[in-house]
Amino acid sequence: DAKTTQPPSMDCAEGRAANLPCNHSTISGNEYVYWYRQIHSQGPQYIIHGLKNNETNEMASLIITEDRKSSTLILPHATLRDTAVYYCIVRAPKGDYGQNFVFGPGTRLSVLP
Amino acid sequence: DTEVTQTPKHLVMGMTNKKSLKCEQHMGHRAMYWYKQKAKKPPELMFVYSYEKLSINESVPSRFSPECPNSSLLNLHLHALQPEDSALYLCASSPGLAGSSTDTQYFGPGTRLTVL
Repeated sequence: DAKTTQPPSMDCAEGRAANLPCNHSTISGNEYVYWYRQIHSQGPQYIIHGLKNNETNEMASLIITEDRKSSTLILPHATLRDTAVYYCIVRAPKGDYGQNFVFGPGTRLSVLP
Repeated sequence: DTEVTQTPKHLVMGMTNKKSLKCEQHMGHRAMYWYKQKAKKPPELMFVYSYEKLSINESVPSRFSPECPNSSLLNLHLHALQPEDSALYLCASSPGLAGSSTDTQYFGPGTRLTVL
């Protein structure tokens, strides 16, 4: 089972920031938080990941609470092309390639014009 | 470059056919994966290859047969499939953890399989 819970759906106005929450209250100390998104009928796309510090890249920012029990993915200026299902996944380094990714249902983000 | 390619994009097959799905990456990644995704559901792991050896088989029926001919290629051979096997089949690859504490998977666009 997935170790995260996310709201099933969210709406965001185009040009505004989209803030997608994720709860991972049972996260272990060595587990990373990953975010992927999947635009309709395409393969999942890697967005960002982090352990405990906030992270930012060209796509998004990841804010992890100090107790690491929740995180928020921020798309600073959402566009219509950001409409997708967003998956929050926690996994630890293990063996040659890490624990398996276990995808939950994710959050369906709809960016509205 | 983080590209994983998959062919074909679409495949329609009968229950008695034999077909193969192909996946390729040229990122030097040492782990490759097959996932299955049913409509409106999240992806589910089927197989993991690590250093060209089958590492994980998530209790997948034998009508699905994976093959890793070399470090860049991953095949999924299909035989005697059922209509309920119709799904999007996703391939992914990752560098492996050697020298790093994280291992990010990169996904291909998928093959949409329909079994009649």
